[in-house]
Parts: sequence; C-alpha cells; structure tokens
Amino acid sequence: SQQGEEDPQALSIQEGENATMNCSYKTSINNLQWYRQNSGRGLVHLILIRSNEREKHSGRLRVTLDTSKKSSSLLITASRAADTASYFCATDPQGAQKLVFGQGTRLTINP
Amino acid sequence: DTEVTQTPKHLVMGMTNKKSLKCEQHMGHRAMYWYKQKAKKPPELMFVYSYEKLSINESVPSRFSPECPNSSLLNLHLHALQPEDSALYLCASSQEAGRETQYFGPGTRLLVL
Repeated sequence: SQQGEEDPQALSIQEGENATMNCSYKTSINNLQWYRQNSGRGLVHLILIRSNEREKHSGRLRVTLDTSKKSSSLLITASRAADTASYFCATDPQGAQKLVFGQGTRLTINP
Repeated sequence: DTEVTQTPKHLVMGMTNKKSLKCEQHMGHRAMYWYKQKAKKPPELMFVYSYEKLSINESVPSRFSPECPNSSLLNLHLHALQPEDSALYLCASSQEAGRETQYFGPGTRLLVL
C-alpha cells in the first residue's frame, strides 16, 4: 500500500518561477526522501531529510519536514526547462526494510 | 561508480515465453530491489534482497521469479506473463535495505503480447 500522498498531482509553471510540491504520509518514519524521474527513465535521488531535521537545502532545492503534521514540501527555485519531470516523495515506515513512494507530482516548466 | 545497469532496455514477449531481466551494480551495496511501474504511477516494490537473501516478497505472482547470483547481480525471471504485466521494471540498490538512499537503473520497458 502507498503511504505517501502528494499534491498537486500536476503542476505547470513558467521558467524562472518557483515550484512547490507537498507530500503527506501516515506512519512514523526515520527519513523522507525526494526523487525525480524523467519520462520513462529511472529515478534519481534528490535529497534525504531525517526525522529530526526540519529543513534541508541542496542547490536550488529546499525541503522541509513537519513530523507533527506528517508532511513535507519540496521547493524548486528559479525553475528551468530541464526540471520538467515527475517528483516522488518516499518514506521508510519504521521497522520496514523498504521505501514507500507517494503518487508523485508531474511538473512541467514552460519556456 | 554510482551506476546501476539494466538489460535489456526494451523487451517484447509472448505469454508463453520465458525471458530474464538483468541488473548489475558495482557500488558494494548489500541491498537490491525490483520495482514495477505503470504509466503515471509510482514504483511498486516487488522484491528486496538483503545480503543476497530474499527478505521481502510483496505477494508477487509466481510467474515472476527473482534470483541474486552474487552481491552485484540481480535477475528477474519471467514466465507465462499476462498483458497486464506490461510495465517499466526498475532495479535499484542501496547500502543496506530500508532507509538508505536508493540508486535506480534506467529500467526495462516490457511489453507482453
């Protein structure tokens, strides 16, 4: 069963704008990760945030985690056409030796 | 080397065929995974191998048979598949099973006729 829910399901913005995607999950976790997938390709790991962290940055990416609300957000600043992809959050339910992926957000950056 | 390779890239097979998907990593990772992904859906976990032993089987039909010959290789043997098994099959690896960052291969696009 999928634990993560993401919104919006699809997002279309102009190049240069910021894109924000949200992820909610149901059970206690150790970490939350974000992955990107270009059409029909494998997933690429973007960032991992631990349950005791509230915010993390990597280049143009900013991730926040609110464990009290069981939610996370991914912000991509100054978007580029190359950011067009699907973005998935993934959680590791405590005690499980696996990741559970959210439904994903399809991001389109218009030139 | 942070690459996971998968072969073949594309595969078309009939419902009576037997074929195998292959996955390889040389990062010294001790966990390897098979996922199935349908269009516009997230990856669905099928199997997890930890230290070359099957640790998770997510109730996958027996027409899918995983094999881990050594710590670098992971195979998925396919037999008597159904058209609904057509999907992108992704292999991934991580240092240990579970919470670690996973590195994904490019996938095998499978079409069952």
